[in-house]
Amino acid sequence: GIQVEQSPPDLILQEGANSTLRCNFSDSVNNLQWFHQNPWGQLINLFYIPSGTKQNGRLSATTVATERYSLLYISSSQTTDSGVYFCAVTAAGNKLTFGGGTRVLVKP
Amino acid sequence: ETGVTQTPRHLVMGMTNKKSLKCEQHLGHNAMYWYKQSAKKPLELMFVYNFKEQTENNSVPSRFSPECPNSSHLFLHLHTLQPEDSALYLCASSQGQAGAGDTQYFGPGTRLTVL
Repeated sequence: GIQVEQSPPDLILQEGANSTLRCNFSDSVNNLQWFHQNPWGQLINLFYIPSGTKQNGRLSATTVATERYSLLYISSSQTTDSGVYFCAVTAAGNKLTFGGGTRVLVKP
Repeated sequence: ETGVTQTPRHLVMGMTNKKSLKCEQHLGHNAMYWYKQSAKKPLELMFVYNFKEQTENNSVPSRFSPECPNSSHLFLHLHTLQPEDSALYLCASSQGQAGAGDTQYFGPGTRLTVL
């Protein structure tokens, strides 16, 4: 099946800093989603982005489907950005496969 | 996301108990999913239902028994669980069939502890 790798596994940021999270996948996909899991376990949809670039406030994401990677940018990070960020992909006809996540801690 | 609700939010049970997890989606979606999230592991898909029909069982032990009475409700019946089944159980839904690439929306999860 498709492999999804995220980096870095852990990230510690000072409040106000910018960061980039990466998701690499091993095959063509028809769906790519970024999620934020808060400390209470809730998975929040951030982006549905099988290709191209999207922005939502301080967050933006870019997927380069031909090169099989996606990037999530966090700008001017806040303590509420702490949690685990997951990338998940679907290859045609297959299940949503999650990466291992990037655990982000934003310190005040 | 308030479109997918799960109850209970926390559950502690003994290995001989029988309990059920409930998921309800208010989004008019046609597909529903159960996932398991164990410590330090990626989310694992357990079951998929499309239009109330089970279309995937990801080699889940029979002590987990799903039920989907309609497109809005999904249950996970638990019996004779093991301590290693302790995890966060997440329900999700999507508009189209699984594999179509539609966005999945997740509930808040049930944190299960098996003693």
